[in-house]
Amino acid sequence: ELKVEQNPLFLSMQEGKNYTIYCNYSTTSDRLYWYRQDPGKSLESLFVLLSNGAVKQEGRLMASLDTKARLSTLHITAAVHDLSATYFCAPYAGGTSYGKLTFGQGTILTVHP
Amino acid sequence: SAVISQKPSRDICQRGTSLTIQCQVDSQVTMMFWYRQQPGQSLTLIATANQGSEATYESGFVIDKFPISRPNLTFSTLTVSNLSPEDSSIYLCSGDRVGQTQYFGPGTRLLVL
Repeated sequence: ELKVEQNPLFLSMQEGKNYTIYCNYSTTSDRLYWYRQDPGKSLESLFVLLSNGAVKQEGRLMASLDTKARLSTLHITAAVHDLSATYFCAPYAGGTSYGKLTFGQGTILTVHP
Repeated sequence: SAVISQKPSRDICQRGTSLTIQCQVDSQVTMMFWYRQQPGQSLTLIATANQGSEATYESGFVIDKFPISRPNLTFSTLTVSNLSPEDSSIYLCSGDRVGQTQYFGPGTRLLVL
């Protein structure tokens, strides 16, 4: 059974600072998704990482995937208040479980002035 | 991006009753899924909605409690039966597009009194 651990679960940052959210998972997966959720809203897709060594960047967010280490990271550069949200990673189960995602606990990010 | 709509967006139900949630996706989605997000928690996969056949349920979820239909490629329903306060959650449907991301609907917020 695929298990996913994110850390930290709570992250309070000052504007302008950098930080990284880590996503560890327990079994082989060659695809991983990152989502953002604002309070009372649904999930917004941020990144789809499709292979080992994949790196994607959008604005102040950059995500990477190391399938050998079973680790993905979401790096935040020069945080701004608009980035305040909950961030989820979700490795893809693969194999006969096509499309099934297992979500991490979520990281609640708060960016302060 | 895929367009996914859900109805109703929210409901308040009495215990012992049932609620049926509808999900409509655009034609480019291949797989459809139903998730539950309990208050302040992450997402848990309930089942994969299979077109024209019985849904595939995850451990801890059973057809009698969560009957699912998917009569065609673009439409699915989830019924939450014999409601209890513990069923108060957000229920989300999602659609997976091959080679792309998994898109989520806006969610249905259920409160059981």
